[in-house]
Amino acid sequence: EVQLVQSGAEVKKPGESLKISCKGSGYSFTSYWIGWVRQMPGKGLEWMGIIYPGDSDTRYSPSFQGQVTISADKSISTAYLQWSSLKASDTAMYYCVRRDYSGSYSNFDYWGQGTLVTVSS
Amino acid sequence: QTVVTQEPSLTVSPGGTVTLTCASSTGAVTSGYYPNWFQQKPGQAPRALIYSTSNKHSWTPARFSGSLLGGKAALTLSGVQPEDEAEYYCLLYYGGAQQVFGGGTKLTVL
Repeated sequence: EVQLVQSGAEVKKPGESLKISCKGSGYSFTSYWIGWVRQMPGKGLEWMGIIYPGDSDTRYSPSFQGQVTISADKSISTAYLQWSSLKASDTAMYYCVRRDYSGSYSNFDYWGQGTLVTVSS
Repeated sequence: QTVVTQEPSLTVSPGGTVTLTCASSTGAVTSGYYPNWFQQKPGQAPRALIYSTSNKHSWTPARFSGSLLGGKAALTLSGVQPEDEAEYYCLLYYGGAQQVFGGGTKLTVL
């Protein structure tokens, strides 16, 4: 059974750093992209970026380039999303999602349960 | 900046049919945008419904279908059920693994 299991909720202060995780199981972790999606309170989904754990090829949405870092450790089938200095505006739910891609299709199929990040002084 | 536009809200009666659309500010949506559709209910993670325009996942109910319609991606629900009340999002591909979500459509079943 394919699963993406994310790390638990976090409460942080502005200026602090944070790294949240997304662990894949039930499939070949290095053969699928993992994307990250932000959902601010009461708002829609926003695409942040994506990584291919097989070779660590990473692409960022222009809106998030330089604001976050996406990485992966294929030895433990885990992708990460990290901030070096959080802002109150980073308060949101963050989801990871698996992408199956070839030249003829792009399929976002399995989602993590989400990690709620709250940044407050 | 690329904008993907969906109807903010739609209302449908139980048993009825409704079509949600997804437009790109760059022009007509084609199969090369690999439209994906997701359903999200309050307090839940999104759930995948349709990928690459019209392909269903194994868990996607038969009443959901995807297509291209008038230069937009479209999601049609036929025989709507009360449990279909949710927010629906489309996602379009713009190359280089760049994706953009639509703003979402809140579907009310009334």
